[in-house]
Amino acid sequence: AIQMTQSPSSLSASVGDRVTITCRASQGIRKDLRWYQQKPGRAPQLLIYAASSLQSGVSSRFSGSGSGTDFTLTISSLQPEDFATYYCLQDYNYPHTFGQGTKLEIK
Amino acid sequence: QVQLVQSGAEVKKPGASVKVSCKASGYTFTGYYMHWVRQAPGQGLEWMGRINPNSGGTNYAQKFQGTVTMTRDTSISTAYMELIRLRSDDTAVYYCATGAHLDVWGPGTTVTVSS
Repeated sequence: AIQMTQSPSSLSASVGDRVTITCRASQGIRKDLRWYQQKPGRAPQLLIYAASSLQSGVSSRFSGSGSGTDFTLTISSLQPEDFATYYCLQDYNYPHTFGQGTKLEIK
Repeated sequence: QVQLVQSGAEVKKPGASVKVSCKASGYTFTGYYMHWVRQAPGQGLEWMGRINPNSGGTNYAQKFQGTVTMTRDTSISTAYMELIRLRSDDTAVYYCATGAHLDVWGPGTTVTVSS
């Protein structure tokens, strides 16, 4: 199975900061990567699919980039509602695999 | 609107089995694969497998081979995930998810395995 290594595992930042989360695949996955945001007690919400396509209804302060093995999720200017846990998911092949998550906390 | 409604919380003893349902509405049920993902308390997301609602074909993560069965009933637009031989580490929230971009998720079903 493809291993997805996400970093950092946790991150403290302030409102207005620009933050970047990375995900590295153990083998090339083209652009078959999604990013999700999850808040406590809630189901994950899709932010980005196909590595860089913004899901409908998601704020444009979220962006994704990368292909092959290295991917990034960037939040351009953190808002209070962005403090959550973020996961990458590869859907290049089966089994699909998630990164271990990045918990974004308020500094 | 597109919606997935899951069955209620379950409490099971070790060795028992559980069957979680996921009823879809607002779209053509056979149009998208249905995936199942679980999340143990305080842990990350774990992909379990998926079913093609049209054909019934399945793909399971190796970890769950032999213990999970995913089925569907197209007449009522409902998918099911059954897990047998439950252990305490199967305690988790189980989500169904679907959509063109795996963008529609159910609210989750809490399964607690405890003696």
